[in-house]
Amino acid sequence: QQQVKQSPQSLIVQKGGISIINCAYENTAFDYFPWYQQFPGKGPALLIAIRPDVSEKKEGRFTISFNKSAKQFSLHIMDSQPGDSATYFCAASNNNAGNMLTFGGGTRLMVKP
Amino acid sequence: AAGVIQSPRHLIKEKRETATLKCYPIPRHDTVYWYQQGPGQDPQFLISFYEKMQSDKGSIPDRFSAQQFSDYHSELNMSSLELGDSALYFCASRRASNVLTFGAGSRLTVL
Repeated sequence: QQQVKQSPQSLIVQKGGISIINCAYENTAFDYFPWYQQFPGKGPALLIAIRPDVSEKKEGRFTISFNKSAKQFSLHIMDSQPGDSATYFCAASNNNAGNMLTFGGGTRLMVKP
Repeated sequence: AAGVIQSPRHLIKEKRETATLKCYPIPRHDTVYWYQQGPGQDPQFLISFYEKMQSDKGSIPDRFSAQQFSDYHSELNMSSLELGDSALYFCASRRASNVLTFGAGSRLTVL
């Protein structure tokens, strides 16, 4: 049973549009929720992260929205650019369980020029 | 800034052979994680080490073993390789925070 469920699996957005990726988690012990961006043949790179004590975090064009009661969080990419085309993974970890990341299944984003 | 260094970047082995992957964490990072990512899959946690001791174990096959050395580098040893072991293997490191920094990965192809 996957502890972190991510949707959609793939997403096509026009340049300038908003990309939205959603994740839901099961384990209420999770206390750290990062998003990673991965380009083909490269390692995942941390994009932005949030803790459950805030409902939103914004860094540039990237925003995480967090709903603790629903156990859901989402990534919004504003003004999407072709260079944003990559696979995005949500993840979750528990500070009391070694901080190992449990990843969602990934979303392959393509931003069309 | 120094990153997580993995070697080799690419490795081709035959079935039933043995492979060793190396990871050099960011200096002063005390925790190392190994992840396996199959084609089109999300990374799956294998094993982690904190201060040279195994700290957590995930879905690591019994044919695999790993250790962290006194200089904090880590090695993942894989024996009796199977076709299904073909994947990208990532090492990540951290120190005292949740932020994991990943290496570029080692691509293992088993023929």
